[in-house]
Amino acid sequence: GQNIDQPTEMTATEGAIVQINCTYQTSGFNGLFWYQQHAGEAPTFLSYNVLDGLEEKGRFSSFLSRSKGYSYLLLKELQMKDSASYLCAVRVINSNSGYALNFGKGTSLLVTP
Amino acid sequence: DTEVTQTPKHLVMGMTNKKSLKCEQHMGHRAMYWYKQKAKKPPELMFVYSYEKLSINESVPSRFSPECPNSSLLNLHLHALQPEDSALYLCASSQGIAGETGELFFGEGSRLTVL
Repeated sequence: GQNIDQPTEMTATEGAIVQINCTYQTSGFNGLFWYQQHAGEAPTFLSYNVLDGLEEKGRFSSFLSRSKGYSYLLLKELQMKDSASYLCAVRVINSNSGYALNFGKGTSLLVTP
Repeated sequence: DTEVTQTPKHLVMGMTNKKSLKCEQHMGHRAMYWYKQKAKKPPELMFVYSYEKLSINESVPSRFSPECPNSSLLNLHLHALQPEDSALYLCASSQGIAGETGELFFGEGSRLTVL
């Protein structure tokens, strides 16, 4: 089974930096993804880590430690439009060679002026 | 074309109706997915098709029946649903090849209401 934990809510100020943590326990680990979802919209891909380390993509960075079952998403120079739910998702490979992406409960980020 | 298209966007049905949700992608992706999302909850995986074969069924009730007619199309047939099945149904696709990023591209979803 999957166990993916992330904080339920976070608040940060426009222009600041925020770090959203995610811990997971899973078998068949095959990569960790971060998605952004605005209310009423589909999730959109932000980042992907399969090896340990930091991946940087503009204002967004994501870090992975497979030995610790830990990832974080770092958002810099926060903008009001960054207010959204941030979903940590673990990709697993099952015995039928199928890939599945399982989502954590999401962190609702509110950016304030 | 980097879109996953879902129809209908909204569907209202009674518990005795039979309806279908449709999903289409033309990105050459070989894996397609159905997710169910309730309000303020994360998407929950229902089914995965890999190379047009059902590879994962997350113990979904038989009143939901997936179908993959070809590599570009994915359907979800609905029959005898319950009001608690009301949710946003998201379709997604990915390359589905080992070693690829495997980023999922989501459609905008079909919002289903069961009366």
